[in-house]
Amino acid sequence: DIQMTQSPASLSASLEEIVTITCQASQDIGNWLAWYQQKPGKSPQLLIYGATSLADGVPSRFSGSRSGTQYSLKISRLQVEDIGIYYCQQASSAPFTFGSGTKLEIK
Amino acid sequence: QVQLKESGPGLVQPSETLSLTCTVSGFSLTSYSVSWVRQPSGKGPEWMGRMWYDGDTAYNSALKSRLSISRDTSKNQVFLKMNSLQTDDTGTYYCTRNWSPWFDYWGQGVMVTVSS
Repeated sequence: DIQMTQSPASLSASLEEIVTITCQASQDIGNWLAWYQQKPGKSPQLLIYGATSLADGVPSRFSGSRSGTQYSLKISRLQVEDIGIYYCQQASSAPFTFGSGTKLEIK
Repeated sequence: QVQLKESGPGLVQPSETLSLTCTVSGFSLTSYSVSWVRQPSGKGPEWMGRMWYDGDTAYNSALKSRLSISRDTSKNQVFLKMNSLQTDDTGTYYCTRNWSPWFDYWGQGVMVTVSS
């Protein structure tokens, strides 16, 4: 199975700050990478697909990038509504595995 | 609009079988695949398996021996059955729509506790 190693496990940042979360794949997955946001008590929601494409309705302050087998999610100006847990997920080969999550809080 | 809703028992006895139903609306099961994803409390999600739009199925190899996914297209429902449940099967179970390989719509989830 492909392992997705996500960091950091938790993150506290100030409003309007730039936030970056990373995910390392254990092997080449190309651009088959998605990011999800899970707000407290809610289901995960698709944010980014294909490593860099923004899902419908997602604010433009979110962006995704790739460097080899390392993937990053960037929030350019942190807002209160961005608190939650963020997960990466590889869609290259079954079983489609998720990272362990990054809990984002407001400082 | 697209909606998915899971239903099933909240409590299952150890060694028993879990049966869940996902009822969908706003799209056709013959056009989109549906996956089951579960999430233990405080942990990351785990993909369990998929009902393809053409009726084929795919399973996580870790669960394949215990898991069965089926559907009734006339009722817009996808079913999950998993046997020999243990306490580490406790968690929230979601059904999700697959848009290509991505999970673009999720149900609200159903909490399943395995306990005697």
